[in-house]
Amino acid sequence: EIVLTQSPATLSLSPGERATLSCRASQSVSHYLAWFQQKPGQAPRLLIYDASRRATGIPARFSGSGSGTDFTLTISSLEPEDFAVYYCQQRFNWPPALTFGGGTKVEIK
Amino acid sequence: QVQLQESGPGLVKPSQTLTLTCTVSGGSISSGHYYWSWIRQHPGKGLEWIGYIYYSGSSYYSPSLKSRVTISVDTSQNQFSLKLSSVTAADTAVYYCARQNAYFDYWGQGARVTVSA
Repeated sequence: EIVLTQSPATLSLSPGERATLSCRASQSVSHYLAWFQQKPGQAPRLLIYDASRRATGIPARFSGSGSGTDFTLTISSLEPEDFAVYYCQQRFNWPPALTFGGGTKVEIK
Repeated sequence: QVQLQESGPGLVKPSQTLTLTCTVSGGSISSGHYYWSWIRQHPGKGLEWIGYIYYSGSSYYSPSLKSRVTISVDTSQNQFSLKLSSVTAADTAVYYCARQNAYFDYWGQGARVTVSA
């Protein structure tokens, strides 16, 4: 099973600051990686797929990069609504298998 | 706009079978372009993929839950269902259904299920 490790576990930042979130895979997943945002009491929302493609309706301040084993989600300037938990997910072996990372919480400093 | 809605009991007794149904609207399960998945989230924890089904009935389950999980599809009702047998308190979670075309692009709002006597 491919394990995804996200860091840091918690990121404390102020609105307007830049957020950089990391996702590392235990083996190469090529570019088959997605990022999701989840707010309390809500389902996750797809932000980025195939490592760097923004999903429909996602603001340009969200960007993804990386390939192989190391990936980054960048939020260029945090808006109040961006404080949430972010998960990465790989689909290199899908179908059938896929896995999620443990999440990074972006909280208000 | 595709919408998914989970339904089922919010409380299940230990050793019983948890059953949830996901009703899809705004699109057909039989379209053939998508896989239909179940994902759960334990309280305060991350996401755990449970398994998926294709409209044809072919399915795949997470190895960690495979022995207890069955996912089925009813194309006439545009629904798919999850059965998780022999539940324990460790199965207490929010259960989401989701549409997957490589990635999960539409999700239900989630169904909170508590396992307790």
